[in-house]
Amino acid sequence: QKEVEQDPGPLSVPEGAIVSLNCTYSNSAFQYFMWYRQYSRKGPELLMYTYSSGNKEDGRFTAQVDKSSKYISLFIRDSQPSDSATYLCAMSAGTGGFKTIFGAGTRLFVKA
Amino acid sequence: ETGVTQTPRHLVMGMTNKKSLKCEQHLGHNAMYWYKQSAKKPLELMFVYNFKEQTENNSVPSRFSPECPNSSHLFLHLHTLQPEDSALYLCASSQVAGTGVKEQYFGPGTRLTVT
Repeated sequence: QKEVEQDPGPLSVPEGAIVSLNCTYSNSAFQYFMWYRQYSRKGPELLMYTYSSGNKEDGRFTAQVDKSSKYISLFIRDSQPSDSATYLCAMSAGTGGFKTIFGAGTRLFVKA
Repeated sequence: ETGVTQTPRHLVMGMTNKKSLKCEQHLGHNAMYWYKQSAKKPLELMFVYNFKEQTENNSVPSRFSPECPNSSHLFLHLHTLQPEDSALYLCASSQVAGTGVKEQYFGPGTRLTVT
């Protein structure tokens, strides 16, 4: 079983739709949960970060963590064509280890 | 220049060549990373340097050889690569490597093709 599972997509939605991106994980030691966005021909950039369980909102983006289910989500409201990118979930235990484990990424297309 | 830069952006090399990838960070960070990104696969951590000391070698074949002369520069020396080594190689940096690392800053990557 992979430590982090993420559906690679692609996911295609019309402009204005609500997008839901998800990851599941198996390591209960993970405490830090991140979402990175990667545009074509660019490196990933941190979009959202959550510690432990709960929700975090930043503009049109909401990150949710459910540690009991080992499930994290990223919601994008009022999606825009500029949101078209690959979204990578990432997580780490944060207890002295150096490893951040990444999902494979979900490719999102938002059509105008 | 700001952020994390990588050169070259694209590299085509034969299996018998020797080449090097360069990464430079202008963020004052103390940790630097090499990742391999292949299509539809998760980022694979290759090497971690913390305060110029290598702290992680994730079972990477010896044909990849990292070098970190100071906290701002990181190199990946390549020799006798295989076609399956073709991928996007990403460099990243963070303040330190270890507890509570939540944000790594990535460079744009070097797209490597091995022929």
